[in-house]
Amino acid sequence: SQQGEEDPQALSIQEGENATMNCSYKTSINNLQWYRQNSGRGLVHLILIRSNEREKHSGRLRVTLDTSKKSSSLLITASRAADTASYFCATTLFGNEKLTFGTGTRLTIIP
Amino acid sequence: DSGVTQTPKHLITATGQRVTLRCSPRSGDLSVYWYQQSLDQGLQFLIQYYNGEERAKGNILERFSAQQFPDLHSELNLSSLELGDSALYFCASSVGSSGHNEQFFGPGTRLTVL
Repeated sequence: SQQGEEDPQALSIQEGENATMNCSYKTSINNLQWYRQNSGRGLVHLILIRSNEREKHSGRLRVTLDTSKKSSSLLITASRAADTASYFCATTLFGNEKLTFGTGTRLTIIP
Repeated sequence: DSGVTQTPKHLITATGQRVTLRCSPRSGDLSVYWYQQSLDQGLQFLIQYYNGEERAKGNILERFSAQQFPDLHSELNLSSLELGDSALYFCASSVGSSGHNEQFFGPGTRLTVL
């Protein structure tokens, strides 16, 4: 079963706008990671945030983590057509290193 | 390019058959993970090997088995195939044994069972 649920399931925005995706999970985590998947291809690691961190940045990406609400958000600023992809959150638990993926958000950037 | 290679890219076979998927991890990575991605189940962790030894097991069916060889490449064997086994199978690797770390994914093998 899925540990994480992404919201929304699909998102379409104009190029240049910001895109925000949310991930909610059920149990306390060790860390949370975001991955991108272009259609039918392998996943690419974007960013990892640990349970004792609240915010991380990487280029145009900003990830926040709210452990009290068991949720995380991924913000992509100044979106580009190349950002069109599916985005997954994935979690690991204390004492269980299995990486469990959420259901994904399908992001479409309209040129 | 993640540095992880998988062969073959596509595999079409019939129910009841057996197939072998192969993965070569990034140079220097000792852990190999196998995942299955299907429309109904999403991305599911199957199994992890670290330096030749099984380290963690996920939702892997008894009809499936894997191993990691001394040169660190890994094979996933799927037997008595069913229609529902049609999916994308990904291999990933990481440098350490901990699944908490960043994983590097291969391009996947698309399996179609007819």
